[in-house]
This record gives sequence, structure tokens and C-alpha cells, in this order.
Amino acid sequence: AQTVTQSQPEMSVQEAETVTLSCTYDTSESNYYLFWYKQPPSRQMILVIRQEAYKQQNATENRFSVNFQKAAKSFSLKISDSQLGDTAMYFCAFMTPGANSKLTFGKGITLSVRP
Amino acid sequence: NAGVTQTPKFRVLKTGQSMTLLCAQDMNHEYMYWYRQDPGMGLRLIHYSVGEGTTAKGEVPDGYNVSRLKKQNFLLGLESAAPSQTSVYFCASGLAGLYEQYFGPGTRLTVT
Repeated sequence: AQTVTQSQPEMSVQEAETVTLSCTYDTSESNYYLFWYKQPPSRQMILVIRQEAYKQQNATENRFSVNFQKAAKSFSLKISDSQLGDTAMYFCAFMTPGANSKLTFGKGITLSVRP
Repeated sequence: NAGVTQTPKFRVLKTGQSMTLLCAQDMNHEYMYWYRQDPGMGLRLIHYSVGEGTTAKGEVPDGYNVSRLKKQNFLLGLESAAPSQTSVYFCASGLAGLYEQYFGPGTRLTVT
């Protein structure tokens, strides 16, 4: 079974600065997807970024980028130029294609952006 | 497109009462999922369905039943609610063979 670990329960960052959220996972699969989801106070789950394990290049979406270290089974999220609207809970998640596309989530990290 | 909708948004139950949560999607997705979110636990999969008429257990299925009689709807039932089922429930849907899941807005359920 796959497991996803987010060891930091909370983080805080000053507006306009950069913050990195950590995630590690454990799997015996070679092909899989990794995701970061954002959950603002509205409670809506929003997909921030995804990474396919077979791709060596780290994914980037505007101010969001990942550092994917397959051998270390590490998948961290970097948020550049933090904005007040980035204040949210962030979940790391894992999926094995074909396994009914089920998501396994980490416990989440609460990020606060200070003005 | 409304995407994924959930009914109701909030509900308070007494221990032992029953209720059904409704999830509906208008994207013609084959796969549908029910998750629960508890503080410090992330989201955990309760049950899922890979097509009309089929359901399967997830990580935490005890105390819940599901049905998928129509492709667009996925119902989650609590036959005899317990305080341990106080949680926020999320429904999600996705296309077979693709990775992205689309989430509903969630239902906050309190069992007293």
C-alpha cells in the first residue's frame, strides 16, 4: 500500500517571500502520479500542480513549482512570491494509474501568509 | 456545467438516525468517489465506483453504504449515525484512465 507523509503540520511565510512544503511517499510502483491540492477556507479542493513519475522535468505552474526526487521519494512544493490568497491547507496526494485512479492523501499542512 | 454538486451542504444528526448524501456530476465521468476529511487525518477514501451499478470499498468503509444506480449520481448512506462519523464529506469524479479528480464543495455532517 502507498503512504504519503507530510511531517510539518503548520508553516508561516511573509507575503512576497518563498516557502517550500515537504512531502514524502512510499510505493513499490514505478509509474504513478503525484499531486498538490490546495484547500482554502472555502473548503473547495483545488488542484495546484501534478507530476508524472516518468517525467524527469519538475512541473511548474506560474508561482508554483515542485522538486521531485524519485529516488528519495520526495515531492516538495515551492511557492514563490507568496500572496495572501495562498493561505490555505495544502495536501500532497499519490495515485497509481489504472488502480481505479484512487488518491491517497497526506495529512495536510496549514500555510499562513502574513501581510 | 455545474461540475460536481453535493446535497446537503450541512446536516446535524442525532446518534442512531440515518441519512443519505447525494453527489451528482454532469461531466459524464465513469469514476466517482466518497472521501471523509477529519482534522489531522487528510482525506480518506470511504467507497468508490468505477461505473454505473458497481461499487467498491475504500480505506474506511465501515458504517457506510453506497449506491450508483445512475452514472451521474453516487449516494452515500449512513444507516445508524455515530458521533465518530462527524466529518466533512467530499465527493469527487474522474474519467477512466485519466488522473484528475474533480471535487464537490463538501458536506459538513455533525452527529450528536
